[in-house]
Amino acid sequence: DVKVTQSSRYLVKRTGEKVFLECVQDMDHENMFWYRQDPGLGLRLIYFSYDVKMKEKGDIPEGYSVSREKKERFSLILESASTNQTSMYLCASSFRTGTEAFFGQGTRLTVV
Amino acid sequence: AQSVTQLGSHVSVSEGALVLLRCNYSSSVPPYLFWYVQYPNQGLQLLLKYTTGATLVKGINGFEAEFKKSETSFHLTKPSAHMSDAAEYFCAVSALGGSEKLVFGKGTKLTVNP
Repeated sequence: DVKVTQSSRYLVKRTGEKVFLECVQDMDHENMFWYRQDPGLGLRLIYFSYDVKMKEKGDIPEGYSVSREKKERFSLILESASTNQTSMYLCASSFRTGTEAFFGQGTRLTVV
Repeated sequence: AQSVTQLGSHVSVSEGALVLLRCNYSSSVPPYLFWYVQYPNQGLQLLLKYTTGATLVKGINGFEAEFKKSETSFHLTKPSAHMSDAAEYFCAVSALGGSEKLVFGKGTKLTVNP
């Protein structure tokens, strides 16, 4: 079975901190995604990566950056956390466009 | 760029009734379309997908969806709702040749009443 693992289920950080959310997939997938999920807003794409060191902005990239140095790992970075970044963050991976995306269990981030 | 609109943020049906969840998409190139389900406190799980070929696709748990290019729709149906179908459902689109992002709708929360 494909496994997408997010490093933390719950995280509490202070305003202004630099925050790293890690995601690892074990199936050699090309594509990896970071979404945030908020009630009533669905899943909004933050960043997308289609290969190592390649990334593309999603719909809401402001305040975030990403890193993909190895194929299996895709990191989301909050440069200076703010309270409006309190949310559920979901990582996903897929073999290629048009194939099923597999999701991690999510990281619920609270910024205080 | 792709986009998805799900009509109805909440849908309520009686057990045994037809389930119809609506999804319309926008894509400048032929789309790949997906329905995902999210049960409370769980991750997303694929219900079904359309890539090419037959426009009526069957998924898990008795769900199916029909791709209608002329209507730019991909509505999800199930003939008879079960209590265990209560969950949030997300429609998603991606496409080769355009941006290959996987874009989701805002979701529809399905309630099944006994």
